Amino acid sequence: KAGVTQTPRYLIKTRGQQVTLSCSPISGHRSVSWYQQTPGQGLQFLFEYFSETQRNKGNFPGRFSGRQFSNSRSEMNVSTLELGDSALYLCASSSGSGTPNAEQFFGPGTRLTVL
Amino acid sequence: AQSVAQPEDQVNVAEGNPLTVKCTYSVSGNPYLFWYVQYPNRGLQFLLKYITGDNLVKGSYGFEAEFNKSQTSFHLKKPSALVSDSALYFCAVRDTTSGTYKYIFGTGTRLKVLA
Repeated sequence: KAGVTQTPRYLIKTRGQQVTLSCSPISGHRSVSWYQQTPGQGLQFLFEYFSETQRNKGNFPGRFSGRQFSNSRSEMNVSTLELGDSALYLCASSSGSGTPNAEQFFGPGTRLTVL
Repeated sequence: AQSVAQPEDQVNVAEGNPLTVKCTYSVSGNPYLFWYVQYPNRGLQFLLKYITGDNLVKGSYGFEAEFNKSQTSFHLKKPSALVSDSALYFCAVRDTTSGTYKYIFGTGTRLKVLA
């Protein structure tokens, strides 16, 4: 089975711009979660989608949004970029059948740099 | 609130020596505990999980973890460390209070295995 894929792998933007990141989960996985990883803050949960519905949300401003399509692929959008948004954005998928014992499978991440 | 703590930012160990990476948790109800590893410029990889049953859980790459209910700990161990084990290790717990089982990650522990 192919793993979780994320595109693009690297991105450079300037302040005020917006960006869209894409994630394709493992085939058959219906849950997709997004995380922001920075050296100072560690791994911060952004949101989780399951069957096109947002199931969980972290403590991020409304500039961060996401969506999931019927084929379980997910996109994350950040509007009005700030310097502090520079980070590695990780996507993870799981079977997400509603039980707590399913592990997550992570993609390689998208490295976003905001100048 | 459910939480997980990794008290050590970094652990250094000589190659061939046993290693331990510590994790303590705070949950209401039964804990669902996970360990993940992150190699440089990569996403996280699942190592092992504790759901129920035997307190000693075996995982990938020769790692194991010991669940201790009385000490609310889930320490990661390996009998003989390899230089290639050098990476960032995350402990995680599933939040079972919300009904959606959001992942809660620790701050990570950097393991350095010295040749």
